[in-house]
Amino acid sequence: DVKVTQSSRYLVKRTGEKVFLECVQDMDHENMFWYRQDPGLGLRLIYFSYDVKMKEKGDIPEGYSVSREKKERFSLILESASTNQTSMYLCASSSPGHYSNQPQHFGDGTRLSIL
Amino acid sequence: AQKITQTQPGMFVQEKEAVTLDCTYDTSDQSYGLFWYKQPSSGEMIFLIYQGSYDEQNATEGRYSLNFQKARKSANLVISASQLGDSAMYFCAMREGTGGGNKLTFGTGTQLKVEL
Repeated sequence: DVKVTQSSRYLVKRTGEKVFLECVQDMDHENMFWYRQDPGLGLRLIYFSYDVKMKEKGDIPEGYSVSREKKERFSLILESASTNQTSMYLCASSSPGHYSNQPQHFGDGTRLSIL
Repeated sequence: AQKITQTQPGMFVQEKEAVTLDCTYDTSDQSYGLFWYKQPSSGEMIFLIYQGSYDEQNATEGRYSLNFQKARKSANLVISASQLGDSAMYFCAMREGTGGGNKLTFGTGTQLKVEL
């Protein structure tokens, strides 16, 4: 089974802090994704990566950056955390291919609170 | 315009009955894929079923089936014989043919509650 592991289930940080959310997958997937989930808004894509050191902006990249130095690890960085970044963050990975029927596999999520 | 629309914020169903969760989509691509995910209260996202735009038959996976009506751009999830464990949030998502990386666009979800 694919395993996507997020480093924390719950995290509390203060405004202005630099926050790192880590995600590791064990299935050698090329593609990795970061989403945030807010009530009534569903999942919104922040950034994704289809290869090591490659990244592309999703729908809501403002205030975030990412790092992918190794294939299995994809990190989300909040450069200067703000209260409007309080949310559930979900990491996912998938097999490559533009027309793939392979689903994205998700981690358990990190519930981040910015005080 | 929303690419994925789920018009039912909440649904109730009696145990052992069937329930249909609605999903409509908007795309100009000929090649695309539709996914349904389940998210229990514990938070993990569980993949349920996939339908490709060129698939001639509706997808089925156990008690889950996808009622795919291409001309109407709808991909409704049907859960037969509902169980208490089906209570969860359900998301419809679409992969469009253009662009790389298998990006998905998600709907806002439907909260399903199964009652005794």
